[in-house]
Amino acid sequence: EDKVVQSPLSLVVHEGDTVTLNCSYEVTNFRSLLWYKQEKKAPTFLFMLTSSGIEKKSGRLSSILDKKELFSILNITATQTGDSAVYLCAVEKNYGGSQGNLIFGKGTKLSVKP
Amino acid sequence: DADVTQTPRNRITKTGKRIMLECSQTKGHDRMYWYRQDPGLGLQLIYYSFDVKDINKGEISDGYSVSRQAQAKFSLSLESAIPNQTALYFCATSQRGTREPQHFGDGTRLSIL
Repeated sequence: EDKVVQSPLSLVVHEGDTVTLNCSYEVTNFRSLLWYKQEKKAPTFLFMLTSSGIEKKSGRLSSILDKKELFSILNITATQTGDSAVYLCAVEKNYGGSQGNLIFGKGTKLSVKP
Repeated sequence: DADVTQTPRNRITKTGKRIMLECSQTKGHDRMYWYRQDPGLGLQLIYYSFDVKDINKGEISDGYSVSRQAQAKFSLSLESAIPNQTALYFCATSQRGTREPQHFGDGTRLSIL
């Protein structure tokens, strides 16, 4: 059975701290791993990772994938209150060489205190 | 205007009622998905459609049905709603053959009393 496990499930930090969110997976026909940020409404896309060891970076956020050990991490440096959200990890399955379904983890709820 | 529009945004109804949630998109994507989100459970796939004539069950399809009326429209029905179907429902789209991620609508908050 396909599964995606995120840890921790919730995290409270203070502004300026650095956080690391974890995502491990066991999914057949892996195509890519995605990170989304969810505030009040729709999940918004952060990163798509397909290759091991290549860091993706966007401002204070970065992510990397290890396809041998089947996990990914999302790092946020110098956190701000606006980073407070649920961070979702999802694994995309391969369907006939193209995109398939997403299998989501339960998410990590990050709260950043001023 | 949003690329993926869900209607209604909020709905409160009673057990046993038939409910339809609608999703329309202007992105021109061929693939559409319905998810539900319960607190602390992430998103779970209900149904997905890779084109107008290709509809498939997801992880939790029992109690739900869908209709792909056109490439741009994908509706989700609850034939006889029950309280444990109270959840946040999301529609998403993607395009075959691209590296674009799935793009989500703003969700429909459904409460069944």
